[in-house]
Amino acid sequence: NAGVTQTPKFRVLKTGQSMTLLCAQDMNHEYMYWYRQDPGMGLRLIHYSVGEGTTAKGEVPDGYNVSRLKKQNFLLGLESAAPSQTSVYFCASSYSGLAGGPTRSNEQFFGPGTRLTVL
Amino acid sequence: DAKTTQPNSMESNEEEPVHLPCNHSTISGTDYIHWYRQLPSQGPEYVIHGLTSNVNNRMASLAIAEDRKSSTLILHRATLRDAAVYYCILRPYAGNNRKLIWGLGTSLAVNP
Repeated sequence: NAGVTQTPKFRVLKTGQSMTLLCAQDMNHEYMYWYRQDPGMGLRLIHYSVGEGTTAKGEVPDGYNVSRLKKQNFLLGLESAAPSQTSVYFCASSYSGLAGGPTRSNEQFFGPGTRLTVL
Repeated sequence: DAKTTQPNSMESNEEEPVHLPCNHSTISGTDYIHWYRQLPSQGPEYVIHGLTSNVNNRMASLAIAEDRKSSTLILHRATLRDAAVYYCILRPYAGNNRKLIWGLGTSLAVNP
């Protein structure tokens, strides 16, 4: 049971290049999320998905696209990378967002992160 | 969306208890209080959560004030591995993990 995995762990891009970050989870979670974490700021939600074939915008979606073709995978794409997208990217997954009371935390499980530098 | 306020940093000695405070004066009646922590160079991990009553699990205890406007995460015996950033977050009952507001948390240093 690997939990949430992210590929790649590190990447350096030049401005204008494109890339895709892959997130995979083996816990059969319905919900998946992409966050970015920057120094001096908390985690910010980029996009999320409530199920296979569905995606929605989070707090900072501009410059990113996502796809969820399979329940276990959530892809984050950068079509034309910019230096402002230099960040650490975290993927997370959870059961349905509906709270199940105090015995069910609906906690998010996070991946180890991808450190992206855009020059 | 309700926000939380935490001290920027705290320090503790190994094997001593640690009390990490969190203020959430604008909490609504159906907001759950969640705590996560982030070890260096890792993704955040869930620690504990509660609604009204104090909660205990294998990692920590959560003490919630009677008016729910504050809470305290208690690590009973700090270890070096507990050095991390601790986040206190409010989650609406509707289960909107997508509406979580992640602040900067409290950076906990543990001295040997």
